Amino acid sequence: KAGVTQTPRYLIKTRGQQVTLSCSPISGHRSVSWYQQTPGQGLQFLFEYFSETQRNKGNFPGRFSGRQFSNSRSEMNVSTLELGDSALYLCASSLEAGANQPQHFGDGTRLSIL
Amino acid sequence: AQKITQTQPGMFVQEKEAVTLDCTYDTSDPSYGLFWYKQPSSGEMIFLIYQGSYDQQNATEGRYSLNFQKARKSANLVISASQLGDSAMYFCAIHERGTYKYIFGTGTRLKVLA
Repeated sequence: KAGVTQTPRYLIKTRGQQVTLSCSPISGHRSVSWYQQTPGQGLQFLFEYFSETQRNKGNFPGRFSGRQFSNSRSEMNVSTLELGDSALYLCASSLEAGANQPQHFGDGTRLSIL
Repeated sequence: AQKITQTQPGMFVQEKEAVTLDCTYDTSDPSYGLFWYKQPSSGEMIFLIYQGSYDQQNATEGRYSLNFQKARKSANLVISASQLGDSAMYFCAIHERGTYKYIFGTGTRLKVLA
């Protein structure tokens, strides 16, 4: 069974640009969450999608957005990139959003802003 | 208040010895799950072990066990017979059924010494 796949693995952008990251969950998983991980802030929750609906959102500006498709694949978009957006972006999927479901993570997309 | 608190930013343990990584949590939701993840330097987040709030027995998975003390709201991870490959960041996380959110602690960096 294939794991969570994130593309691309690495990305270099400049300030002001926008970027789209992709996440394909484990087959059958309907919940997809996104996290930003930086050395200083740890793992910060961005948002969670379930059945194409955003169910939870973290404390990030509106420049961060996402969506989920009918096949549960998800994309995350960051517009008007800032230097502080440099981070490892992790996607995680779970069967449902029940309390007994572990999240399974992809390898992440490492985004560097120049 | 922090939902998840990991008070040990860094730990050292001698190879083949046991080590306990601390985690306390704060929730008013009666139904929740507690998870531990391992993140090696390569970046991927690996699910280790799960404990449900209604589980009577402590969870075990191979060399990993979870010392669950519900009244004290603590869910410490015990790694027995440490191996060099256990050197990594370890994150404790809680998932509340009422909010569907996963919240992670700041992590503990474990270094296993030969």
